[in-house]
Amino acid sequence: QSALTQPASVSGSPGQSITISCTGTSSDVGDYNYVSWYQQHPGKAPKLIIYDVSYRPSGVSNRFSGSKSGNTASLTISGLQAEDETDYYCSSYTSSNSLYFVFGSGTKVTVL
Amino acid sequence: QVQLVQSGAEVKKPGSSVKVSCKASGGTFSTDIISWLRQDPGQGLEWMGRIIPSLGVTNYAQSFQGRVTITADRSTSTAYMEVTSLRSEDTAVYYCARGDRSGWYFDSWGQGTRVTVSS
Repeated sequence: QSALTQPASVSGSPGQSITISCTGTSSDVGDYNYVSWYQQHPGKAPKLIIYDVSYRPSGVSNRFSGSKSGNTASLTISGLQAEDETDYYCSSYTSSNSLYFVFGSGTKVTVL
Repeated sequence: QVQLVQSGAEVKKPGSSVKVSCKASGGTFSTDIISWLRQDPGQGLEWMGRIIPSLGVTNYAQSFQGRVTITADRSTSTAYMEVTSLRSEDTAVYYCARGDRSGWYFDSWGQGTRVTVSS
């Protein structure tokens, strides 16, 4: 069972905006600004798209943005495109004993 | 940007061991932190542990402690992850990923190594 809770699926039409939530606890998301988001296409390695809650690595589209409120982080994809249809995972640093990183179970984004 | 290249797919018998390699290029291996993660078929990601090659320091997730060993060879900029006493539930794709000491995220990933445990 994943430590962070994500919706199993989110869908939207091309051009729309969608938001994926990622809910943790005060031991991870709530207490640290170390939330990151990864995009993973089938059969490929994950790709970092957001780090430290809201920062984008160089080369990542500005259509991706991140935020956090309390124990819940969010990834927003604006101007949804067909190429955005894939899986997204959130992750957070955690202060739980001997575990540095926790992940969400993943969200499948479908472009209608 | 750091490039990570992992060794190829493995098929193993239950009870045996597997050792996966991850060779880094294009960065500074001595200042990097290499983590290993597991992705079960059709499932999410799970952090297994990490090594700081310059210090030889390792940290393991409790669920993998004792059965997983992570090492690094600074002379070849290669990290290794060995799993012993394999069981069918260890069938998964294993990734190495790079982090650094100033952040808690993974900015470069290996291509993944599929390990199949079957009798």
